[in-house]
Amino acid sequence: GDSVTQMEGPVTLSEEAFLTINCTYTATGYPSLFWYVQYPGEGLQLLLKATKADDKGSNKGFEATYRKETTSFHLEKGSVQVSDSAVYFCALSDFSNAGGTSYGKLTFGQGTILTVHP
Amino acid sequence: GAGVSQTPSNKVTEKGKYVELRCDPISGHTALYWYRQSLGQGPEFLIYFQGTGAADDSGLPNDRFFAVRPEGSVSTLKIQRTERGDSAVYLCASSLLGSGAWTDTQYFGPGTRLTVL
Repeated sequence: GDSVTQMEGPVTLSEEAFLTINCTYTATGYPSLFWYVQYPGEGLQLLLKATKADDKGSNKGFEATYRKETTSFHLEKGSVQVSDSAVYFCALSDFSNAGGTSYGKLTFGQGTILTVHP
Repeated sequence: GAGVSQTPSNKVTEKGKYVELRCDPISGHTALYWYRQSLGQGPEFLIYFQGTGAADDSGLPNDRFFAVRPEGSVSTLKIQRTERGDSAVYLCASSLLGSGAWTDTQYFGPGTRLTVL
């Protein structure tokens, strides 16, 4: 079945440091890939996504490139801020079909806690 | 516009009791998903609705769990004879159901934190 593996956490960085959170996946089909973020006290929200190989998703200074050859979707940011402290989830959505209509249920990694200190 | 809403935000119940968790999706979103998030884990899929029908309920852990969406908008997740292991955050998400629906963004509600004593 489908699975997502994220790097072990938590991750603690100083402000302006470079961030990488590794994510690899296993899927039977050709999935879409997502990074979701959960800020303290808030719900899950989409950070970025990529739907085909070599696509780069980007948002708020974060980037991730869909690498089919290495089945990876690593999250990067060049200079983190204290406000980036949150839990980050890598997820995939593989093609599914029911009643002739496609849909995509998400499979999540276990999450990586990021803490950024001033 | 309004996002996905879920009620209650917190629910504390005793072992063996029945609970209902409500989800109000974004207006116009045909697809509705329920997930369960245990402490320190990522969300896990429970059930998917395509309009009024449960098109995929493969993630429901057992027959104590049931969900409905009678008019194709609001959904209710029902748990009978609750057990301590049911304690988790229950998340609802909705999305537009386009032709490439597995690429669609799912919008999550804030979740209902269920605690079974």
